[in-house]
Amino acid sequence: SQQGEEDPQALSIQEGENATMNCSYKTSINNLQWYRQNSGRGLVHLILIRSNEREKHSGRLRVTLDTSKKSSSLLITASRAADTASYFCATDAQDKIIFGKGTRLHILP
Amino acid sequence: KAGVTQTPRYLIKTRGQQVTLSCSPISGHRSVSWYQQTPGQGLQFLFEYFSETQRNKGNFPGRFSGRQFSNSRSEMNVSTLELGDSALYLCASSWGWGFGQPQHFGDGTRLSIL
Repeated sequence: SQQGEEDPQALSIQEGENATMNCSYKTSINNLQWYRQNSGRGLVHLILIRSNEREKHSGRLRVTLDTSKKSSSLLITASRAADTASYFCATDAQDKIIFGKGTRLHILP
Repeated sequence: KAGVTQTPRYLIKTRGQQVTLSCSPISGHRSVSWYQQTPGQGLQFLFEYFSETQRNKGNFPGRFSGRQFSNSRSEMNVSTLELGDSALYLCASSWGWGFGQPQHFGDGTRLSIL
């Protein structure tokens, strides 16, 4: 079964608006990571948050982690056309890393 | 600093053949992980190599194998190819083994099985 599940599967917003994506997982984790993937390219690491952290920021990105609910959210503020991509959460599960199916984000001009 | 390089970018094979994919990690990175990405199953972990040793392994059949060389470059081999092996194969490198640090991905090899 999938460890990480992103929600929503797809999201379209106007440029300048904020985008929020959620990730839920099933087992306890050591850390959770968010990645971005542009069409036909590899993944780009965005943020890593450890299980003892609740919030982390990087530029226009804000990630929260709620281990009691086994969930995380990624907020992108003031979205730009270049933010159009798929976003994945990834959790470490003992001896492997498990990626969710991703959220496809489309920024409308 | 050069990124992760995967070769070839595209590959077409037929069922029953075998294939070898190559990955050169970022200079100084000693861990290389491999992933399979398909529309149906998403991104799935294949295995991780560190210092020429397989450290972790995903749930894939034995037809999928890999190795790592002393310069940290890695190869992945798939034997007896099946139609379902059509996918984007990604490798990623990091400085240490395990998944407590960011993974740096290449742009992948797109494998098509006819």
